[in-house]
Order: sequence, then structure tokens, then C-alpha cells
Amino acid sequence: DVKVTQSSRYLVKRTGEKVFLECVQDMDHENMFWYRQDPGLGLRLIYFSYDVKMKEKGDIPEGYSVSREKKERFSLILESASTNQTSMYLCASSAHLRGGYYGYTFGSGTRLTVV
Amino acid sequence: QKEVEQDPGPLSVPEGAIVSLNCTYSNSAFQYFMWYRQYSRKGPELLMYTYSSGNKEDGRFTAQVDKSSKYISLFIRDSQPSDSATYLCAIPGNGNKLVFGAGTILRVKS
Repeated sequence: DVKVTQSSRYLVKRTGEKVFLECVQDMDHENMFWYRQDPGLGLRLIYFSYDVKMKEKGDIPEGYSVSREKKERFSLILESASTNQTSMYLCASSAHLRGGYYGYTFGSGTRLTVV
Repeated sequence: QKEVEQDPGPLSVPEGAIVSLNCTYSNSAFQYFMWYRQYSRKGPELLMYTYSSGNKEDGRFTAQVDKSSKYISLFIRDSQPSDSATYLCAIPGNGNKLVFGAGTILRVKS
């Protein structure tokens, strides 16, 4: 089974802390993504990466950075956590479907609360 | 205009009902259409995908695409309480990225 593993299911952090969210996939996928999911707003893309050491901004990159030092690992970093970053964070890697298109495999998510 | 529009619900139905979940999209170039299911406190999982127009059936689930109307649907027959989840439509956009609908919350009451 394809697996995308997020290191923490629940995190509580204080305002101003630097927060690391880790994601590991075991299918040798090139593409990895970080989303946040909030009620009424759906999934919003924060950053994505097409390859090792490559990163691209998504729709809401402010306040976040990422690191991809190894192909299987994609880390999301909150430089200075704020309460408006309280959210569900989802990591995904993309898998090719028949016909050359692709779908995502998601991790189980990390619910981050910033207090 | 958003690329993909989806009514967030919630949609509440009795057990055994036929459920219809829908999305509209704006870009007529889209060819692949996907449905993801997300249970509470879990990540989304790929449920079905279809190519171009027409229907695709998988057990109690049928995905339908109407490209002339830019409308995609997911039908669930004989709905069960275990179908209670959020359903998200998704379409491949530019650069290996999926464009997601907002998700429809479905509750099937026993």
C-alpha cells in the first residue's frame, strides 16, 4: 500500500514557536504537497515540490516555508506560529493513474492548535 | 469564478436513500475528474476517477461527467451510515496540481 505518513496527529504549540511538520512517503513519488484545510474554505495549497530541493509556492505560502532534502521527505515549517495557523494540515504525494494522469495520496493529517 | 464549485452542504439523508453530490467547473479543457472521500479526522482518499464524459460505476457508487454542462456528479445508491463523510471533487489543473472543490459533508442517518 502507498503510504504517506505524517509524524504527528495532534500538536499544540505556543504563539511565536517554530513548528516543524514532517511528512514521509514510501512510493518514490517526485511530487509532494502541503495543504491546510479549514471549515468552509476547503483545501488550500501552501507549498509543493516537484523534486528534491525544489519548491514552489502555492496559494497561501505566507508564514510558511518548506524543506525537501530527500525525495521521500517533505517538511512544512511555521517560522513563528500564530493563532490563525490553527488548522488541519495535510501532506500528499502524487501517484500516476492509468492514462497518464495522477491522483493524490494523502496522509492522515496533523491537527495543529496554536495557543 | 472559482475553477471548481461545490456545495458544502451538509446533506443529511436517511439510510437507503440515493445520494447525489455535484460539482461544476469552469475550464472546458479538463479531461479527468476525481472524487475523494474524507472521513472525520482523516486525510482524503481517492474514491473514483473518470475520463472525459460518461458514467463509471463501482459497486454502489457511480461517477458521471457532463462536459457540455461542465458538471460532474457522484451518486451513491442504498446509502449507509458508513458513507457519512466529506466528499471532494477534484480536477487536474496546471503543473501536476489538483484543483479541489470545497467538499460536501454527507450524513446518512440510520
